Amino acid sequence: DTGVSQDPRHKITKRGQNVTFRCDPISEHNRLYWYRQTLGQGPEFLTYFQNEAQLEKSRLLSDRFSAERPKGSFSTLEIQRTEQGDSAMYLCASSQRTSGGVADTQYFGPGTRLTVL
Amino acid sequence: AQRVTQPEKLLSVFKGAPVELKCNYSYSGSPELFWYVQYSRQRLQLLLRHISRESIKGFTADLNKGETSFHLKKPFAQEEDSAMYYCALRGMDTGRRALTFGSGTRLQVQP
Repeated sequence: DTGVSQDPRHKITKRGQNVTFRCDPISEHNRLYWYRQTLGQGPEFLTYFQNEAQLEKSRLLSDRFSAERPKGSFSTLEIQRTEQGDSAMYLCASSQRTSGGVADTQYFGPGTRLTVL
Repeated sequence: AQRVTQPEKLLSVFKGAPVELKCNYSYSGSPELFWYVQYSRQRLQLLLRHISRESIKGFTADLNKGETSFHLKKPFAQEEDSAMYYCALRGMDTGRRALTFGSGTRLQVQP
């Protein structure tokens, strides 16, 4: 499977614990995105990387959240001191930069479902 | 600020009936609109975008800037069209890459 992969697919943790998710984008894609989706809602943007540079961050990304893409390939999203409100599906997407200002197609991964008890 | 509204959480039609999934947006600049689809147990995927002006799987969508709408239409629904559909927006004039999604509409096509 050459699509976007995410690990783990499911994570159950206790409130106050730290969790880390990994995203592996499609190999030639230089752009990587994180979104969060709660029940009954569409995905909400969290952050965006072009290569290793984090170029956009949503106000949803509180101080407890941090994302990295150290070598411009895979990315990690860490949530510190998890809260019950962090329970959601965390989606990763990747795309390849195009010219002309037209939005490139974002390809989504299967997501990591986080449950905070 | 950007906002996408999908007023219907569920749309149920019979096979062969026309389908229209509504999407309204709020954005003061130049928008780029998309429809994404999620079939059961599959990942979210792009269905179509307004710039391409193409028909995918029989679906079309026209950007109406006057009504700030981007409704998704298909003249004859098929059972395999049953899925979750999300409308999304990006501000072309901002340089930002983030997509703003609506809350989605579940389409059920009954036999």
